[in-house]
Amino acid sequence: KAGVTQTPRYLIKTRGQQVTLSCSPISGHRSVSWYQQTPGQGLQFLFEYFSETQRNKGNFPGRFSGRQFSNSRSEMNVSTLELGDSALYLCASSPATAGEETQYFGPGTRLLVL
Amino acid sequence: AQSVTQLGSHVSVSEGALVLLRCNYSSSVPPYLFWYVQYPNQGLQLLLKYTTGATLVKGINGFEAEFKKSETSFHLTKPSAHMSDAAEYFCAVSDRNGFNKFYFGSGTKLNVKP
Repeated sequence: KAGVTQTPRYLIKTRGQQVTLSCSPISGHRSVSWYQQTPGQGLQFLFEYFSETQRNKGNFPGRFSGRQFSNSRSEMNVSTLELGDSALYLCASSPATAGEETQYFGPGTRLLVL
Repeated sequence: AQSVTQLGSHVSVSEGALVLLRCNYSSSVPPYLFWYVQYPNQGLQLLLKYTTGATLVKGINGFEAEFKKSETSFHLTKPSAHMSDAAEYFCAVSDRNGFNKFYFGSGTKLNVKP
């Protein structure tokens, strides 16, 4: 099976702009989670979508939002970008069946906000 | 909420030496337990996981981890370090409630000296 894919891999934006990141999960996986990784804060959970519904949410401001489509592909949007949003954004997919909650990660999208 | 503690943000070993990376979790009910590895500019790759059954779990690349309920620990070991093991290692836990929410430790960077 193909792995988790994320597009784009690299992105440069300026403060105040908005950005949309895309994640295609492993075929058959219904759960998609998003994480922000920075040197200072480590891996922080943003949110998880399951069957097009946000099931879990981390402690991020409302500028961070996401959605999931019927084919399980997910997008993450960040509005009004701030310098502190520069990070590696990781997407992970999971079958999310009982006893099989392993998350499989994509390569990430590296966002630089200038 | 769960918390995951990885003792030692940086660990340095000589090639051929034992690798021991420590992980402790906080919950009284044993969660699902995972170790992931991250190479520079890449996503996270699953090394091994514990869900149920045998408490000594073997993973890829010669790594193994032992779940010790009494110590709430899931330490990662490898008998003989290889230069290619140099990477960052993350311990993660997931509650057994089917909601697929992961909690990651802060990571341990492993340096392997020739």
